[in-house]
Amino acid sequence: GAGVSQSPSNKVTEKGKDVELRCDPISGHTALYWYRQRLGQGLEFLIYFQGNSAPDKSGLPSDRFSAERTGESVSTLTIQRTQQEDSAVYLCASSTGQGIYNEQFFGPGTRLTVL
Amino acid sequence: GQQVMQIPQYQHVQEGEDFTTYCNSSTTLSNIQWYKQRPGGHPVFLIQLVKSGEVKKQKRLTFQFGEAKKNSSLHITATQTTDVGTYFCAGSSGGSNYKLTFGKGTLLTVNP
Repeated sequence: GAGVSQSPSNKVTEKGKDVELRCDPISGHTALYWYRQRLGQGLEFLIYFQGNSAPDKSGLPSDRFSAERTGESVSTLTIQRTQQEDSAVYLCASSTGQGIYNEQFFGPGTRLTVL
Repeated sequence: GQQVMQIPQYQHVQEGEDFTTYCNSSTTLSNIQWYKQRPGGHPVFLIQLVKSGEVKKQKRLTFQFGEAKKNSSLHITATQTTDVGTYFCAGSSGGSNYKLTFGKGTLLTVNP
């Protein structure tokens, strides 16, 4: 595809429900990242994939958060038993994962609202 | 862990005035990147600096990487209303060029 896509664009859920957020990176990009951005705040790193493995999961806020990537392509971020403080925009980015110059291309994000 | 601090948090200028945002890292960086996020949008890559003391220009934007590779700045000359947005710096270190630590950003507003 032309860029990073994410779905859904908006998700409203009730407290306690599970949600799945999807990211389709740019074809051929081996590195994939998930960030969380609360309203008016900076980007909070969640997890990084190189291929299908996640060498750095240090940013996942709790064990309610998990992510996987298959086929060195699509990634899903799952939040179990959602809480109101999970409300934020979840951004996915991808990069080539090679070389020194390694800009990240961001998707439009999924706005999650937990009622 | 690595921390990247960015100041100021907010900056309001009159159109035509200059603007600078500063970024400081707690550790030596292997490279630093700058992103711009328009209101309601997603971050968009502006530039990456790799070399100590490096200076790069993009039209009215000037980016600098400090000699010690622990700080960076973005300067905009003669701001325009199209410059409105949040500017983030993001650094990587420790042998990984791929994991970025983002600063909290500087929100620039421009009064026409």
